[in-house]
Amino acid sequence: DIQMTQSPSSVSASVGDRVTITCRASQDISTWLAWYQQKPGKAPNVLIYAASSLQSGVPSRFSGSGSGTDFSLTISSLQPEDFATYYCQQANSFPLTFGGGTKVEIK
Amino acid sequence: EVQLVESGGGLVQPGGSLRLSCAASGFTFSIYWMSWVRQAPGKGLEWVANIKQDAGEKYYMDSVKGRFTISRDNAKNSLYLQMNSLRAEDTAVYYCARDVRGVTVRKSDYWGQGTLVTVSS
Repeated sequence: DIQMTQSPSSVSASVGDRVTITCRASQDISTWLAWYQQKPGKAPNVLIYAASSLQSGVPSRFSGSGSGTDFSLTISSLQPEDFATYYCQQANSFPLTFGGGTKVEIK
Repeated sequence: EVQLVESGGGLVQPGGSLRLSCAASGFTFSIYWMSWVRQAPGKGLEWVANIKQDAGEKYYMDSVKGRFTISRDNAKNSLYLQMNSLRAEDTAVYYCARDVRGVTVRKSDYWGQGTLVTVSS
């Protein structure tokens, strides 16, 4: 099974800050990576798929990059509605696996 | 409007069974892969199972193989998860999700609100 390791597990940031979250796969997954945002008590929402493609309706301050085993999600200017938990997921092969999550908190 | 509505969750004793349902509307259900994802209280997301459009392919996480069965009824626009031999560690909110799986795209683009399964005596 492919293991997904996210870092950091939590980050404190202020509105307007640039935030970067990283995700490492235990083996090459090409660009088969998606990023999800989840707010408390809500279902996840896809932000990025295929490592760098922005989901329709998602603000352009979100961007993704990477290929192979190393990936990142960047929020260019953190907004109040962005405080949430973010998960990466590899879609290269079954079983699909999520990273452990990164909680973005208000500083 | 795409909607996914889960039902069937509840309290069940260890070793018991439960069948979750997910009613889909607002899209052509039969042309999409579907999946179940769960989240234990205070924990992260955990993929559980996937099923192809025609149910010809099904995939499971290791810890539920042989205990859980994913199925679908395209005529009823419904997805199911039959859960047997339930354990305390299966306690979670279970989400159904619509999956897009193409040549360059793989993502879960719509999710239900989730249904809580509690396994406890």
